Order: sequence, then structure tokens, then C-alpha cells
Amino acid sequence: TQLLEQSPQFLSIQEGENLTVYCNSSSVFSSLQWYRQEPGEGPVLLVTVVTGGEVKKLKRLTFQFGDARKDSSLHITAAQPGDTGLYLCAGRSDMRFGAGTRLTVKP
Amino acid sequence: NAGVTQTPKFQVLKTGQSMTLQCAQDMNHEYMSWYRQDPGMGLRLIHYSVGAGITDQGEVPNGYNVSRSTTEDFPLRLLSAAPSQTSVYFCASSTGTSNEKLFFGSGTQLSVL
Repeated sequence: TQLLEQSPQFLSIQEGENLTVYCNSSSVFSSLQWYRQEPGEGPVLLVTVVTGGEVKKLKRLTFQFGDARKDSSLHITAAQPGDTGLYLCAGRSDMRFGAGTRLTVKP
Repeated sequence: NAGVTQTPKFQVLKTGQSMTLQCAQDMNHEYMSWYRQDPGMGLRLIHYSVGAGITDQGEVPNGYNVSRSTTEDFPLRLLSAAPSQTSVYFCASSTGTSNEKLFFGSGTQLSVL
């Protein structure tokens, strides 16, 4: 069992602020995925990271996979209200998800 | 393109009742799975299937049955509902189990009284 711990559990910030959320495990993952979920909907894939040390950018979102492939981070620059949602990381090899970070961006 | 379709959207059951949550996908995906989502616990895998005729248990399979008679459909059965099964259920599909994107349905909110 590869457990994924996400932090913080909740995050409330003002529009324009930067933030980083984390996904950590004691196990090595072949790949990690980040999803965003909005109320009443299923999660939607943001990115898949595969290589240790890999950095991927998606507009204002920057994803990093740890060198040892045990952890990942998501950094959002200049957050906007549209970024509000539940951010979930998932270890793709065993299809398990972390509990998520619930982000609220206030206008 | 409908993607992954779940029905019903909402359901209320009494303890001991049975029901089937429906999931259908039109993307010819081999892999399908069921998750339940509870506050503070993220998504937990109930059962999954890597192709028609093949199913396997996830981390929380007790109280649930599945079958996969066709590529398109993957129903989840609750034989005798319990209040602990109150949750939001999501069906997902993908082309495979390694790195591929999971496509999720919009969920079924189930309450067991």
C-alpha cells in the first residue's frame, strides 16, 4: 500500500497570492498525477509526472516530482477565484488518491 | 461524446435495501473502476476491471459487488445497504493502468438511512 499524504488539508487565500500544496509518501511511485475537482463533478486530470526531478508547467500552475519520486508539489502563481477546488494527487501505479487540499481563492 | 455516464445522480435507500449504480463509457476503454469519496478521506478504490470478464478488489470492497460483461458497462451493486455506505460514488475509466488519464463520471450521491 502506497499511502499519499497531502498538505495542507485546507487553504484559503486572497486573489493574487501564491501558494504551494504538497503530496508526500514514504514509497516510491512510478508516476504521480494531479487532479482538480469542482463541487458536484468528478476529478479532472491536470498533469502526470513520471521522471524524478521533473517540472511541468500548465499556465500559472507548476508541478514538480521529487528526485526520489516519493513526493510532489503544486505551486500556483497569482491565484484566481477560478482556481478554487479540491486538488488531489494520485499514485498511478496502484490507483490510490490522497485526501486532497481544498483551496479557496477569495476575490 | 458522452464520456463516462453515471446514473442515478442521487439516491436515498433504507438500511438493508439493494440497488445498482450504473456506469457506462463510450470511449472503448479497457480499464474501469469505482471509487467512493468521503469527507477528509479522498477517493478510495472499491473495485476495478482491466477488461470485460475481469474484475478485482480495491482497498474497500466489502459490501459491494461488480461485474464486467461488456467493455462499456461496469455496474456497482450494493446487496444490503448500510449507513456506512452513505457516500459519493465515482466511476472512472482509462485506456490502461499506467500513466493514462482517468476519466471520471459526475458521481452518484447515495444516502442510506
